[in-house]
Amino acid sequence: AQKVTQAQTEISVVEKEDVTLDCVYETRDTTYYLFWYKQPPSGELVFLIRRNSFDEQNEISGRYSWNFQKSTSSFNFTITASQVVDSAVYFCALSEYAGNNRKLIWGLGTSLAVNP
Amino acid sequence: NAGVTQTPKFRVLKTGQSMTLLCAQDMNHEYMYWYRQDPGMGLRLIHYSVGEGTTAKGEVPDGYNVSRLKKQNFLLGLESAAPSQTSVYFCASGPLRTIGSNQPQHFGDGTRLSIL
Repeated sequence: AQKVTQAQTEISVVEKEDVTLDCVYETRDTTYYLFWYKQPPSGELVFLIRRNSFDEQNEISGRYSWNFQKSTSSFNFTITASQVVDSAVYFCALSEYAGNNRKLIWGLGTSLAVNP
Repeated sequence: NAGVTQTPKFRVLKTGQSMTLLCAQDMNHEYMYWYRQDPGMGLRLIHYSVGEGTTAKGEVPDGYNVSRLKKQNFLLGLESAAPSQTSVYFCASGPLRTIGSNQPQHFGDGTRLSIL
């Protein structure tokens, strides 16, 4: 069975602090994909990043960075110098490639509050 | 550049009423999905479709029906609405997966549905 665990339900930080959102996944498959989505207070779901299971390089995009550790089945997300606009719920998701069926398994999300 | 469009955005129904949520995508995606999002439950897959004329059940299909008569449209129907179906509904679409491709799902802005 596949599973995605985001152990941190809520995080509160002060602006300019760095914050890391944890994501741990379980899968039996060797080929899979991991995603992070952001859901701001306005409600829409915004794609942030995808990573395939063969690429363990970490990625940086501006203040955002992602640390993929296959050995610990983790795909953690770090926001550097957080800003109030980063306040949102962040979801980690796992996608399995299995023939023509492709579904996402979602974590329950981490609600991040960045206070001024 | 519409992407995924959901209509309506808000709706209030009485128990027992029926309604259809419409999802339209203009990206020529093969896959389409309907999710519901409830507090503390994350996103749960209701039904999905891997192509025109095909549908499949997700995690929580009971009480819902879907149809994919045209590739660009995916309809979610509630035949007899119940208060337990009060939720935010998201439609998503994604391209046909090929090995080496890892495209994310694209989401609509959501439909807030209240059943009284």
